[in-house]
Amino acid sequence: GAVVSQHPSRVICKSGTSVKIECRSLDFQATTMFWYRQFPKQSLMLMATSNEGSKATYEQGVEKDKFLINHASLTLSTLTVTSAHPEDSSFYICSAVPDDSNMRDTQYFGPGTRLTVL
Amino acid sequence: QKEVEQDPGPLSVPEGAIVSLNCTYSNSAFQYFMWYRQYSRKGPELLMYTYSSGNKEDGRFTAQVDKSSKYISLFIRDSQPSDSATYLCAMRGAGGTSYGKLTFGQGTILTVHP
Repeated sequence: GAVVSQHPSRVICKSGTSVKIECRSLDFQATTMFWYRQFPKQSLMLMATSNEGSKATYEQGVEKDKFLINHASLTLSTLTVTSAHPEDSSFYICSAVPDDSNMRDTQYFGPGTRLTVL
Repeated sequence: QKEVEQDPGPLSVPEGAIVSLNCTYSNSAFQYFMWYRQYSRKGPELLMYTYSSGNKEDGRFTAQVDKSSKYISLFIRDSQPSDSATYLCAMRGAGGTSYGKLTFGQGTILTVHP
């Protein structure tokens, strides 16, 4: 149990275009999901907290107009990278916190999405 | 000073060795402690989860938390080449506005060679 999927797993786009990444909790509901960014050989950097039915909370230094987050249901959060540029190229990972009180103490991660902006 | 310190390694051991991975932290509010394993180009996979101080064992893995020293460890017995990955410690407090939000260590790169 506690499976999180991401789609797409890999995307290559041209500079200036927008890219949407989906994060789904497959076998549990998650009011809270998180979006991370990871550069090679570095740890995860939290970008934002996504809450179903409310606005996302962004970490300091993360542009909310560039990284649009929508948590449309208890199993789906999306991250849209708007007007992507080469410096946005990175590995984006989502995680979800199960609403189930027996599972709520930690996060389950998706497999990640590798974004390359040309 | 980072809230969570973890030696990035890399750490290279022969197959069958006992591996010890460690993190120290400075925030005494941390109550929940986790170890994640991340293979290259994949998302982190939860390995062990402990609450407060104590030990927890799961197969070849043992997690230890010493809150008095602000020190956590992960031991891997009879290490296998398939254990080669980056190991991330993570921790969080007991609720409030940062509920669920994890603070990660830098990750330790482990290679187990045959």
